[in-house]
Amino acid sequence: ETGVTQTPRHLVMGMTNKKSLKCEQHLGHNAMYWYKQSAKKPLELMFVYNFKEQTENNSVPSRFSPECPNSSHLFLHLHTLQPEDSALYLCASSQEGTGENIQYFGAGTRLSVL
Amino acid sequence: GQNIDQPTEMTATEGAIVQINCTYQTSGFNGLFWYQQHAGEAPTFLSYNVLDGLEEKGRFSSFLSRSKGYSYLLLKELQMKDSASYLCAVTDSNYQLIWGAGTKLIIKP
Repeated sequence: ETGVTQTPRHLVMGMTNKKSLKCEQHLGHNAMYWYKQSAKKPLELMFVYNFKEQTENNSVPSRFSPECPNSSHLFLHLHTLQPEDSALYLCASSQEGTGENIQYFGAGTRLSVL
Repeated sequence: GQNIDQPTEMTATEGAIVQINCTYQTSGFNGLFWYQQHAGEAPTFLSYNVLDGLEEKGRFSSFLSRSKGYSYLLLKELQMKDSASYLCAVTDSNYQLIWGAGTKLIIKP
């Protein structure tokens, strides 16, 4: 079993739909992250949770709503998205407080907004 | 502003050596990462440099010069499976991870 699991792997939704992305980490880490990856662009950090508390919200539109019920699970709730939100959404986890703080990623959810 | 620059795409031949460069301008420096990402897959950690010099891990090596704001990833004895995107990222003074756009490496037989 991989360290960070994301579901679903692919998602197609209309602009009026509501859907959720799920991330689970099995590494015992204390921090979890949501990133957006668009073609030929750097990874964009969206949200950071440390010990279940949100520590970063990088000016993300309110149509993206994160939820972190415990240190192993992270959700991204989506509603009334726009076509420009189509991208690969990556979840990562790390053990903050260590020197390197290496982030481990899931395989992502490929989102298409029609 | 903070910036990470790396080439968009590179092509190399199976069995050869390739060097992928990364230059950075960030507010402070607390380490540099290289990740590999195959198409449709998760980015996977390759290396971490915080001090100047060369770190070697098998066929892959990573070099850092903090005074020049420069790093490179060196891949030896290239294999077809090395075709992937290689992402450079720097941790700044606030421990924020700043990412480059990635270098797509194409390996030809």
